[in-house]
Amino acid sequence: DSGVTQTPKHLITATGQRVTLRCSPRSGDLSVYWYQQSLDQGLQFLIQYYNGEERAKGNILERFSAQQFPDLHSELNLSSLELGDSALYFCASSYSGGRTDTQYFGPGTRLTVL
Amino acid sequence: DAKTTQPPSMDCAEGRAANLPCNHSTISGNEYVYWYRQIHSQGPQYIIHGLKNNETNEMASLIITEDRKSSTLILPHATLRDTAVYYCIVRVAQYSSGSARQLTFGSGTQLTVLP
Repeated sequence: DSGVTQTPKHLITATGQRVTLRCSPRSGDLSVYWYQQSLDQGLQFLIQYYNGEERAKGNILERFSAQQFPDLHSELNLSSLELGDSALYFCASSYSGGRTDTQYFGPGTRLTVL
Repeated sequence: DAKTTQPPSMDCAEGRAANLPCNHSTISGNEYVYWYRQIHSQGPQYIIHGLKNNETNEMASLIITEDRKSSTLILPHATLRDTAVYYCIVRVAQYSSGSARQLTFGSGTQLTVLP
């Protein structure tokens, strides 16, 4: 158990809909990262938040947005869903202090868009 | 961050040591070598990391060559539960708290532990 929690574990929805994925980081970690893993793309970085502020953006679509709240949990919002958004979505957290900052991953949310 | 090269797949007999190689010939002096693994569709699991000295923890050992251009992850007594994709990632050291720190995953090595 990494200490990172994600809800829900599974999500099935229809095209055009909007969903919210939730992540709670490990206690004491200030950074939250979101990654997407689809069958043909491998693990892709989406976005990083540090202490409530956006720090880095990867290949995140404009239909997707995220935020980190004062209690440091984070939500990833996916809107106008398409079939191709079906994937595993992982959240990771790290303390983000010191020369090394190991990221610990949650169990993921499996999104299926029908 | 430096690029890494790993074999796409390897087999290992249960109970034997699994030695997973990684080439990172363009690594610079302030870059660390990290290893993660992903057991089928689970979240990636951190294994170990190192800069230039060999490292060992309860999961594995990391051997980094003297020129730092390659490394080997060693699982001393592989079990069936070690069957997973293993990722070698090179990352620059962090110099300021809260800086951009995404991980870049390659294709990794699919390790299959055989009974």
